[in-house]
Amino acid sequence: EVQLVQSGGTLVQPGGSLRLSCAVSGFTFRAFAMSWVRQAPGKGLEWVSAIGKDDKTFYIDSVKGRFTVSRDTFEDTLYLHMSSLTADDTAVYYCAISPQGWLQFAHWGQGALVTVS
Amino acid sequence: VLIQSPLSLLVTLGQSASISCRSSQGLVYSDGYTYLHWFHQRPGQSPRRLIYQVSSRDSGVPDRFSGSGSGTDFTLTISRVEAGDVGLYYCMQGTDWYTFGQGTKLEIE
Repeated sequence: EVQLVQSGGTLVQPGGSLRLSCAVSGFTFRAFAMSWVRQAPGKGLEWVSAIGKDDKTFYIDSVKGRFTVSRDTFEDTLYLHMSSLTADDTAVYYCAISPQGWLQFAHWGQGALVTVS
Repeated sequence: VLIQSPLSLLVTLGQSASISCRSSQGLVYSDGYTYLHWFHQRPGQSPRRLIYQVSSRDSGVPDRFSGSGSGTDFTLTISRVEAGDVGLYYCMQGTDWYTFGQGTKLEIE
């Protein structure tokens, strides 16, 4: 069974930093691209970042230079390191599997609430 | 850009509901597949994928849910709406990076 279990959400002050984790199981982690998607309170879904199976990384403009996505294939864990946080980054952050194929966004983590205040 | 309509739906139990998703560009990827998916999200829960690549139903999704469309126009149809179908519905394209529609809120009348 595919599982994505997230941790790391918390309250952080403006300008602060935080690392989110997403521990995966049930599939070959290193073989798939992974993404982070966020949802601000009462708002819709917004893709934030992705890491390819070749470890190439991609970001939306608003987080470039502040967020870093990475993965540890020994621990089967995806990370999102966030810095210089602002109130606009307040959201529930979800990890999801995102290969180009039928599994694209088929599996999601439970979400982690990041509050910048 | 993906534009969903309507943004809100009030449906009687047992009736059908349809949600439209229009893309500003065609969504056929270089592999020939169209990466247009539909998700359902209940309050406080993660999105759950219902339909992938326009019309394929995910495992465990009732056949009351169906997806259709091509090119730039796509539709999610829910027949015989049940109480558990309430929540937000999103379309998402995964052909040119990833973007989501604004979401459609389905409520029971």
